Amino acid sequence: DTAVSQTPKYLVTQMGNDKSIKCEQNLGHDTMYWYKQDSKKFLKIMFSYNNKELIINETVPNRFSPKSPDKAHLNLHINSLELGDSAVYFCASSPVGTGGLLPYAQENIQYFGAGTRLSVL
Amino acid sequence: GIQVEQSPPDLILQEGANSTLRCNFSDSVNNLQWFHQNPWGQLINLFYIPSGTKQNGRLSATTVATERYSLLYISSSQTTDSGVYFCAVVTGYALNFGKGTSLLVTP
Repeated sequence: DTAVSQTPKYLVTQMGNDKSIKCEQNLGHDTMYWYKQDSKKFLKIMFSYNNKELIINETVPNRFSPKSPDKAHLNLHINSLELGDSAVYFCASSPVGTGGLLPYAQENIQYFGAGTRLSVL
Repeated sequence: GIQVEQSPPDLILQEGANSTLRCNFSDSVNNLQWFHQNPWGQLINLFYIPSGTKQNGRLSATTVATERYSLLYISSSQTTDSGVYFCAVVTGYALNFGKGTSLLVTP
């Protein structure tokens, strides 16, 4: 069983369209993330949810909207796609310690999905 | 925010050679992970190593947290080791990645 799975693996679409990427983890983790990897391979955090609550929202255009229906799922919806949105999007998850908002450092190992390569034409 | 610098940016090795990759970070961290991104784009966890030394087969890693650096050792390299190696440190919840070391191992 794949621990962190995201679909689709490839997404080719036209400018202006709306698309979604789905992510599911079966590790029982509380925290999930979306990262973006650009054409120069640089990986940057976009969003993080802890137990369905948004905890990190980096400077990302509001055309990007994450949704977490439950703590095992974190989907990413993108409106009005632009050429610059072409990238690889990675979903990840990590366990979070109990008590407060900060995870126990020793438990915060992040596991990544296989990535979704988005090409906007 | 915390800065994560990796060196060298690119590395070409002949099969069988050894190498050391370095990661410097600008502030104290509780968590540090090393990843290998293979040529198919998959990010593979190599080590979770906020301090100390760990070994896994031909790979080992050492983090000296007080001096703010981590090293990844690859011994007897194989062509399957090719790809990009990332160091990432945790601030708050998210990982902050370095720009990676791109490794090519030739037969």
